[in-house]
Amino acid sequence: EAQVTQNPRYLITVTGKKLTVTCSQNMNHEYMSWYRQDPGLGLRQIYYSMNVEVTDKGDVPEGYKVSRKEKRNFPLILESPSPNQTSLYFCASSRTLRVWEQFFGPGTRLTVL
Amino acid sequence: ELKVEQNPLFLSMQEGKNYTIYCNYSTTSDRLYWYRQDPGKSLESLFVLLSNGAVKQEGRLMASLDTKARLSTLHITAAVHDLSATYFCAVDPNNDMRFGAGTRLTVKP
Repeated sequence: EAQVTQNPRYLITVTGKKLTVTCSQNMNHEYMSWYRQDPGLGLRQIYYSMNVEVTDKGDVPEGYKVSRKEKRNFPLILESPSPNQTSLYFCASSRTLRVWEQFFGPGTRLTVL
Repeated sequence: ELKVEQNPLFLSMQEGKNYTIYCNYSTTSDRLYWYRQDPGKSLESLFVLLSNGAVKQEGRLMASLDTKARLSTLHITAAVHDLSATYFCAVDPNNDMRFGAGTRLTVKP
């Protein structure tokens, strides 16, 4: 089954404790992206990757890191989480951008205390 | 700064009625995306509009794009309860995706 998977689905952590949210797709997509969703703000893009080893900042990259060492994986790293990073995070992928729709993962709900 | 504005943000409709959701964006973009999100769920793609004048339809939903006016519409025909969801539009003029705040649609019997 073609899908985007994220882990964990739910996470409660404390300020300053490094964490990684994994994202994996099995569709051989080139484009992958991370978003955060907050009430009233829609989705805001954090980082995106056009292909392996190519990453770019989105709208709200501060406090986040990403890497794209393999085509299928695009982990999101919070080196020192803060309470304002409490949010619902979605990973997405598409064959390429600008033509094909994105497929979204199930979401990761993160709470930083 | 690129802005994507949807209106209305909240829409309550009766079954069988028609309505239109509007999506305005502030910078040039030759394509636009519509997504649907059910409560507590992820997003699923509805339409990708790739050129000025593009129109796509699926079931009771029809989307159109006017790149000159920087406007897309999502028209709902004879709404049914199953269409209750939040609808997002998005553009990607510089390879980075920008979403509107979403329109929460509730269809009542």
